Amino acid sequence: AQKVTQAQTEISVVEKEDVTLDCVYETRDTTYYLFWYKQPPSGELVFLIRRNSFDEQNEISGRYSWNFQKSTSSFNFTITASQVVDSAVYFCALSTRGSGYSTLTFGKGTMLLVSP
Amino acid sequence: DAGITQSPRYKITETGRQVTLMCHQTWSHSYMFWYRQDLGHGLRLIYYSAAADITDKGEVPDGYVVSRSKTENFPLTLESATRSQTSVYFCASFRGGGGSYNEQFFGPGTRLTVL
Repeated sequence: AQKVTQAQTEISVVEKEDVTLDCVYETRDTTYYLFWYKQPPSGELVFLIRRNSFDEQNEISGRYSWNFQKSTSSFNFTITASQVVDSAVYFCALSTRGSGYSTLTFGKGTMLLVSP
Repeated sequence: DAGITQSPRYKITETGRQVTLMCHQTWSHSYMFWYRQDLGHGLRLIYYSAAADITDKGEVPDGYVVSRSKTENFPLTLESATRSQTSVYFCASFRGGGGSYNEQFFGPGTRLTVL
């Protein structure tokens, strides 16, 4: 069985602050994929990033960066110089080879509130 | 338009009534999924389908029925709605198959209220 834990239920920051959203996962599979999705106030789910278990390189995309560490089973997401438009619920998710990569296990999400 | 659509977007019904939520995708993706989103629970998988006429239970299937007679459609039916089924329902699709893995694409969601 797999599990994703997002221990931070809600984070509040002021614009331009850096913020890190934590994600810890559990799986017995050695081959798996990790994801981050964003859900803005409008409600849709937006894919942000996919990372496979063999690629531990950090990823940077503009103000977003992701830190994948297999040793701690973590896949943390950092927003640099946060903006009000970053306010959303962020979900971390896991898909494993054992499930045929066909299903996603989601964390409960972290609500990020960025105030001006 | 291409993509994944859900209908209706909003639905209010009464306890005991049957409700069907529709999902349609235009990508010919093999896999389709139904999730429900509830405060404090994140997204939980209800049912999924690997292909037409192939469906399987997810984490919270009780009270729901699915079918998939055509690749592009994956309706979700609540045979006798209960208040605990008040939720936001998301449909998703995924290409599947061999080779590189692709992410799931989500529909806009259906907000269902059971009175």
